Amino acid sequence: QVQLVEAGGRVVQPGTSLTLSCTASGFTFATFGMHWVRQAPGKGLEWVAAFSFDGRNKFYGDSVKGRFTIDRDNAKSILSLQMNNLREDDTATYFCAKAHDNGWFYLASWGQGTLVTVSS
Amino acid sequence: QSALTQPPSASGSPGQSVTIFCSGTNSVIGTNKFVSWYQHHPGKGPKLLIYEVNKRPSGVTDRFSGSKSGNRASLTVSGLQAEDEADYYCSSYVAGDKWVFGGGTKVTVL
Repeated sequence: QVQLVEAGGRVVQPGTSLTLSCTASGFTFATFGMHWVRQAPGKGLEWVAAFSFDGRNKFYGDSVKGRFTIDRDNAKSILSLQMNNLREDDTATYFCAKAHDNGWFYLASWGQGTLVTVSS
Repeated sequence: QSALTQPPSASGSPGQSVTIFCSGTNSVIGTNKFVSWYQHHPGKGPKLLIYEVNKRPSGVTDRFSGSKSGNRASLTVSGLQAEDEADYYCSSYVAGDKWVFGGGTKVTVL
């Protein structure tokens, strides 16, 4: 079955960088769009970024555009999120999600998340 | 402030039905077929319940149903069970190649 395992979350200081990874298994990674979604403590879900299966399209939420970069290694079935110039309001649990068979408009399967804490 | 508005909470007794509404603009909900709903139990990854307004992924019980009227989408949970106590989010894929989520509705089973 589909499995998504996020890793890399930790406590970091404002202004620093961090890279998250998501290791996928149980499906043909190279044929599905992928997303990152985050949830700040006590808050709702916020879409962060998306990457099309063919590598042609990357899209970002307004709050992270210019600071975060989504990438994928289809050979290794790994999705990554490089986060630069981190701010305290980036503190959140970060989930990776696999697109639905009907297109990347829907997030069909999710990992359990990895916690990023930005604090001085 | 999210482009999708949900009530913060809803509740019902076991066996009853509860409906959660998600309001947006004409472009975000009204003329948009890319509306979905997710269930999220704290500490776990969210789960897709409804896509394309009213379609259920395989494996999702038919106690969950989705619909839309005008600029408002809705999720109905029928035959409430204790396990349905969770946070529920509506979502939409919108112009500019962005995805938006509602603020979430916490469903309590009384």
